[in-house]
Amino acid sequence: GAVVSQHPSWVICKSGTSVKIECRSLDFQATTMFWYRQFPKQSLMLMATSNEGSKATYEQGVEKDKFLINHASLTLSTLTVTSAHPEDSSFYICSANGLAGTTGAYNEQFFGPGTRLTVL
Amino acid sequence: QKEVEQDPGPLSVPEGAIVSLNCTYSNSAFQYFMWYRQYSRKGPELLMYTYSSGNKEDGRFTAQVDKSSKYISLFIRDSQPSDSATYLCAMSGTSGSRLTFGEGTQLTVNP
Repeated sequence: GAVVSQHPSWVICKSGTSVKIECRSLDFQATTMFWYRQFPKQSLMLMATSNEGSKATYEQGVEKDKFLINHASLTLSTLTVTSAHPEDSSFYICSANGLAGTTGAYNEQFFGPGTRLTVL
Repeated sequence: QKEVEQDPGPLSVPEGAIVSLNCTYSNSAFQYFMWYRQYSRKGPELLMYTYSSGNKEDGRFTAQVDKSSKYISLFIRDSQPSDSATYLCAMSGTSGSRLTFGEGTQLTVNP
């Protein structure tokens, strides 16, 4: 149980276009979802935290108008990279937590497999 | 200064070796300490978590937290080639809240 999926797993787009990435919790309801980006050989950097039905909270330095996050249901959050540029090329990973934690008192974040975005 | 410091390696060991991975941190509000394993081009998977100070063992893996020194460790006994991955430490102040990750240590276990 506690599976998080992402779609697409990889995408190539032209500069200036928009790309939508979906994150789904398949077998549990996720009250909170997180979006991270990861550059090669670097760690995960939190971009934003989203709670179902409310606006996302963005980390400092992340452009909310460029990275649109929608968390319309307890099982789906989307990240839209608007007017993508080559510097937006990265590995985007979502995570979700809720009531499906299997590690006792800790409310575990379950990570998706990631989406590799390449902007030409 | 980063909130969480982790030596990125790379670290290369022979099969069967004991591996020691470490992180230091500066934020005394951190209460939950996690170790994740990430294979190339995959999402991280949770290996172990520890609340506050202490040790925790799970099979070949042992996690240690020393809050007084703001230092956490992960030990891997009898390392296997399948353990080759990037190991990330992560921390949070409350259960389920935002995680702060270390840079990750790339580990290779050679057969």
